[in-house]
Amino acid sequence: NAGVTQTPKFQVLKTGQSMTLQCAQDMNHNSMYWYRQDPGMGLRLIYYSASEGTTDKGEVPNGYNVSRLNKREFSLRLESAAPSQTSVYFCASRTGSTDTQYFGPGTRLTVL
Amino acid sequence: QKEVEQNSGPLSVPEGAIASLNCTYSDRGSQSFFWYRQYSGKSPELIMFIYSNGDKEDGRFTAQLNKASQYVSLLIRDSQPSDSATYLCAVPSGGSYIPTFGRGTSLIVHP
Repeated sequence: NAGVTQTPKFQVLKTGQSMTLQCAQDMNHNSMYWYRQDPGMGLRLIYYSASEGTTDKGEVPNGYNVSRLNKREFSLRLESAAPSQTSVYFCASRTGSTDTQYFGPGTRLTVL
Repeated sequence: QKEVEQNSGPLSVPEGAIASLNCTYSDRGSQSFFWYRQYSGKSPELIMFIYSNGDKEDGRFTAQLNKASQYVSLLIRDSQPSDSATYLCAVPSGGSYIPTFGRGTSLIVHP
């Protein structure tokens, strides 16, 4: 049981490049989330998916798109990366029984 | 905008002492409250959750909830150097499953 996995672990992009962050969970959770974490800013919600087939914007969605590919997978896409998107990105899924979120190991993204 | 406030710290305590971490929240409709621990360079992991007013104990950890005063706290008894981490308070708004996270309190337990 791997829990929540994320790829890649590290990435360096140039301004204007695009990339997709991948996330998968094997806990059969309905809800999945993408956060970014910046120093002194805590965790901020980018997008979430309450169930397969639905996605909604969070607090900071600008510059990002998401796809809930199936129940297991939830990807985050940066179409044209900007230096302001340099951050650590965490994917999480939520159990319906206690509302606890389980986090992936994170992706450390640097945009030059 | 729902707010969750934590003192950023760092909170420094000696080994064996009680560490007290506090969190206040703005949404009176919130029903569940979560404490996550995050080691440097790692992802958050759940320590405890609490739904009802009063205390909830789990080993060396005690969560305390006071809905009337809108605060939730985490006590760590017999603090160990391995408890040194950032502690995040998370509070879903009433009627939703979307938590607002506080910015976290950095705890340092020195030998």
